[in-house]
Amino acid sequence: EIVLTQSPGTLSLSPGERATLSCRASQSVSSSYLAWYQQKPGQAPRLLIYGASSRATGIPDRFSGSGSGTDFTLTISRLEPEDFAVYYCQQYGSSPLAFGQGTKVEIK
Amino acid sequence: QLQLQESGPGLVKPSETLSLTCTVSGGSISSSSYYWGWIRQPPGKGLEWIGSIYYSGSTYYNPSLKSRVTISVDTSKNQFSLKLSSVTAADTAVYYCARPVLRWSRENAFDIWGQGTMVTVSS
Repeated sequence: EIVLTQSPGTLSLSPGERATLSCRASQSVSSSYLAWYQQKPGQAPRLLIYGASSRATGIPDRFSGSGSGTDFTLTISRLEPEDFAVYYCQQYGSSPLAFGQGTKVEIK
Repeated sequence: QLQLQESGPGLVKPSETLSLTCTVSGGSISSSSYYWGWIRQPPGKGLEWIGSIYYSGSTYYNPSLKSRVTISVDTSKNQFSLKLSSVTAADTAVYYCARPVLRWSRENAFDIWGQGTMVTVSS
């Protein structure tokens, strides 16, 4: 079973700044089957990135994903006010599907 | 436009069975080739995958819940359902149904989600 550890737990930034979120897996994620989600209070998660680096439909290009093996990164190039939320990574390379514990991006 | 909607009781007593249904609109479960999923989120906590079902009825469960979970599909109603037996307070959560990104693949990310339904386990 793969365990995902996200860091930092909370990221305090200002609009316009760059955000870098990390997701580390306890073992290699097969075929880079790593996804990122954004979740706002009271809402369902929204898929941002799948396959480690492919943007989902309708996702702005300020969101980008990278990485392979055990280390993955979500980068938001310039934070917009609507980007302040909780972000989760998820691996789907092996069973069971697993999510990280989340990183909260808050306004500084 | 595909939409998913969860429904079911918002309150379940300890030791009883939680039952939820996901109704799919804007598309057909039986003509797709997806493993439709259930995911839950306890209040203030992270996400946990519960299990997934193919339109043919083939299921795939999280081993941590497998002994208590049953997922079924009713293609005539364009619905799939979740049953979780012997619930405790630890099963209190928002329950989501979701459609995955990739066809035919059990292991998947999820790109279309229902709004979620809160289920509280309490006497």
